[in-house]
Amino acid sequence: AQRVTQPEKLLSVFKGAPVELKCNYSYSGSPELFWYVQYSRQRLQLLLRHISRESIKGFTADLNKGETSFHLKKPFAQEEDSAMYYCALRYGGATNKLIFGTGTLLAVQP
Amino acid sequence: NAGVTQTPKFRILKIGQSMTLQCTQDMNHNYMYWYRQDPGMGLKLIYYSVGAGITDKGEVPNGYNVSRSTTEDFPLRLELAAPSQTSVYFCASSYSTPLATYEQYFGPGTRLTVT
Repeated sequence: AQRVTQPEKLLSVFKGAPVELKCNYSYSGSPELFWYVQYSRQRLQLLLRHISRESIKGFTADLNKGETSFHLKKPFAQEEDSAMYYCALRYGGATNKLIFGTGTLLAVQP
Repeated sequence: NAGVTQTPKFRILKIGQSMTLQCTQDMNHNYMYWYRQDPGMGLKLIYYSVGAGITDKGEVPNGYNVSRSTTEDFPLRLELAAPSQTSVYFCASSYSTPLATYEQYFGPGTRLTVT
């Protein structure tokens, strides 16, 4: 069965420090992975998807099929990056269903 | 565009009561979803719909019912509320074609407590 694991509930870093939010997945098919973010008092929104291979707000994520990972990285954290981050795996083909990890709270200290 | 709207924002139910959580989207999306999120957990899919008149179960459908009579609306019904249904409920929608699927857009959530 498909599964998404985010091992860290909380990641606390200082402003300007590098950030890496970990995500591992288990899926028998060809994976399509996403990072969603929820800022305080805002709704959940898409941050990036591996297919697009783009950098959003300085964040990047590379799909590593050998290690079944999709870690989210940013070289220099900003205070406005503080939020809850969820890794998600798309499954079910055309039904576009998502399975989410438990989330990591990123706290960027000044 | 309001996007995905959910009502109510908060609700307290007694055990055994019933209620309907409302979800509406104005983006003409064909797909809609209901998730629940328990404390410290990820979102879990309850039900989804790929178009008006078509619904299907997700991971955790027990204790819930849905209907999709229009493209815009996707209400979630709790018939006999139980404490285990205390959770935050999120509705989402997306657009999908045979060639591509697009991101899911989420509502603000409904916080439900059953006591």
